[in-house]
Amino acid sequence: ELKVEQNPLFLSMQEGKNYTIYCNYSTTSDRLYWYRQDPGKSLESLFVLLSNGAVKQEGRLMASLDTKARLSTLHITAAVHDLSATYFCAVGLAPIRQGAQKLVFGQGTRLTINP
Amino acid sequence: NAGVTQTPKFQVLKTGQSMTLQCAQDMNHEYMSWYRQDPGMGLRLIHYSVGAGITDQGEVPNGYNVSRSTTEDFPLRLLSAAPSQTSVYFCASSYRFSHEQFFGPGTRLTVL
Repeated sequence: ELKVEQNPLFLSMQEGKNYTIYCNYSTTSDRLYWYRQDPGKSLESLFVLLSNGAVKQEGRLMASLDTKARLSTLHITAAVHDLSATYFCAVGLAPIRQGAQKLVFGQGTRLTINP
Repeated sequence: NAGVTQTPKFQVLKTGQSMTLQCAQDMNHEYMSWYRQDPGMGLRLIHYSVGAGITDQGEVPNGYNVSRSTTEDFPLRLLSAAPSQTSVYFCASSYRFSHEQFFGPGTRLTVL
């Protein structure tokens, strides 16, 4: 059974600081997704990581994937208040059957960035 | 395009009542799925479908039924609601084999 664990679950940080959210998963997969959720809202896709060593960056967020360590990281650089949200990682169950993109989600990391 | 739509936004049920959560998409996506979101547990897959007439169970299917008669619609039925089904329900869709899933706005369900 695939388990996905995020660390930390809660993170309060000051603007301008850097921090990293970790996503560990228990079985082999080469598909890792990061989503953002604002309170009371739906999920917004941030990054799709599809191979070992993949790195993607968008603004102050950078995500990476190490499939051998079964670890993905979401790094926040010089945080700003607008990045306050809950961040989820999700791992794709392998193999893909008939195109079914079944995902197993982590618990989420609630990020609060204080001015 | 409206994207993925869900109705209702909020619903309160009594234990034992039945209801259907609606999900529709206008992007001609073959793959549709239902998740529930509970505090501290992330999202968990309930049921999914890779096309009209084809459905399968996810992680937590008990107490829920689905059918897929058209590409656009994927309703989720609660046959006899229980307090344990109090949750936020999200529908998602994508092209088959695509890595980008689009999530609907969610339905917040409370079962008393």
